[in-house]
Amino acid sequence: EAGVVQSPRYKIIEKKQPVAFWCNPISGHNTLYWYRQNLGQGPELLIRYENEEAVDDSQLPKDRFSAERLKGVDSTLKIQPAELGDSAVYLCASSTRDRGSEKLFFGSGTQLSVL
Amino acid sequence: GQNIDQPTEMTATEGAIVQINCTYQTSGFNGLFWYQQHAGEAPTFLSYNVLDGLEEKGRFSSFLSRSKGYSYLLLKELQMKDSASYLCAVPSGGSYIPTFGRGTSLIVHP
Repeated sequence: EAGVVQSPRYKIIEKKQPVAFWCNPISGHNTLYWYRQNLGQGPELLIRYENEEAVDDSQLPKDRFSAERLKGVDSTLKIQPAELGDSAVYLCASSTRDRGSEKLFFGSGTQLSVL
Repeated sequence: GQNIDQPTEMTATEGAIVQINCTYQTSGFNGLFWYQQHAGEAPTFLSYNVLDGLEEKGRFSSFLSRSKGYSYLLLKELQMKDSASYLCAVPSGGSYIPTFGRGTSLIVHP
């Protein structure tokens, strides 16, 4: 079974430029997450989708970040314009229910460097 | 909301046993996860505890005490490949989506 697939693996851009990340979740997983992980920290949730509906985007900086999940499968996360503080690893995950909580499966992430 | 606390870094010797602690505060409890994350890689699932007690899975065991808001991950017969960050995660009150602690960086040396 294929895991969560993300691309690109690395991205280097200059500040004020746009950037987009792509994610393909595990087949059959209806819930998809975007997390951001800064160096030495745990992942922080940006947005969660149930099928094509964004059900939790309270931590998404909506002035510059946007996300979509067309047809309830693949998802893209966009930053426009990027700032220096956006440098981090952006992780996509999908999940299955396990005894009342969600067991997450992560992709390899996109490491973003904003110069 | 919740608060998750775990040590920042630990070191141990190959072949030894190490215990990584995690304390948490949450308004509603829906289980506790441990994830392993090697440098530059994605977190991978290790364990999930929803009831008190110890759950063993090979060299790794996880313990939970809900009354104390406490969990630990026990790693036995340490190997060099166990050097990684270990993330404790707890769903926030009323939710089933895990919120992650900052992780404990474990360094295993010969």
